[in-house]
Amino acid sequence: DGGITQSPKYLFRKEGQNVTLSCEQNLNHDAMYWYRQDPGQGLRLIYYSQIVNDFQKGDIAEGYSVSREKKESFPLTVTSAQKNPTAFYLCASSIVSGQDSNQPQHFGDGTRLSIL
Amino acid sequence: GQQLNQSPQSMFIQEGEDVSMNCTSSSIFNTWLWYKQDPGEGPVLLIALYKAGELTSNGRLTAQFGITRKDSFLNISASIPSDVGIYFCAGRSGSARQLTFGSGTQLTVLP
Repeated sequence: DGGITQSPKYLFRKEGQNVTLSCEQNLNHDAMYWYRQDPGQGLRLIYYSQIVNDFQKGDIAEGYSVSREKKESFPLTVTSAQKNPTAFYLCASSIVSGQDSNQPQHFGDGTRLSIL
Repeated sequence: GQQLNQSPQSMFIQEGEDVSMNCTSSSIFNTWLWYKQDPGEGPVLLIALYKAGELTSNGRLTAQFGITRKDSFLNISASIPSDVGIYFCAGRSGSARQLTFGSGTQLTVLP
């Protein structure tokens, strides 16, 4: 089945450690996105990538890093510089067709990160 | 940056009742999307709107792209228990590559 797979479902981190969240899609989508969701709030964009080997900062990129070495994969690293990393992290992907693409984003099932 | 105001923040309704929620933006959008999120899962796309005035249905759900292009509405008719969840609106202006999300409407359906 085509879709977006995020792993792990739950992740625990000790303070001072970096952790990497996985996101893989087999939808052949060009664009991929990472969002952070906190209770009672909407989704906030961390990073996005329109094509391989290129990515852009979103609204809350500080303390995070990404890579896009393959079209199917867009891993997110939460670094020790992120002072409040406990949140639900969502990965999404979409088609990019033209400069004014209006294609909707499709989401994975998320990774919940907690600090020990 | 762009801002989306989504209301109400939460709703408690009786099973069988109709529901209405809306989003307003500070700028003109050319795309409006409505998503539903169940606990512990990612949002699922319900309806996508691309033209001002567009009215689109998906089963018991109906959404409209406001004429001013600064608002959108989602209606759910004859609610059932599985309608429980958080509903998000999202929009994109012509110059933006990414979506702006509302803060969500938490819907609870009482038996």
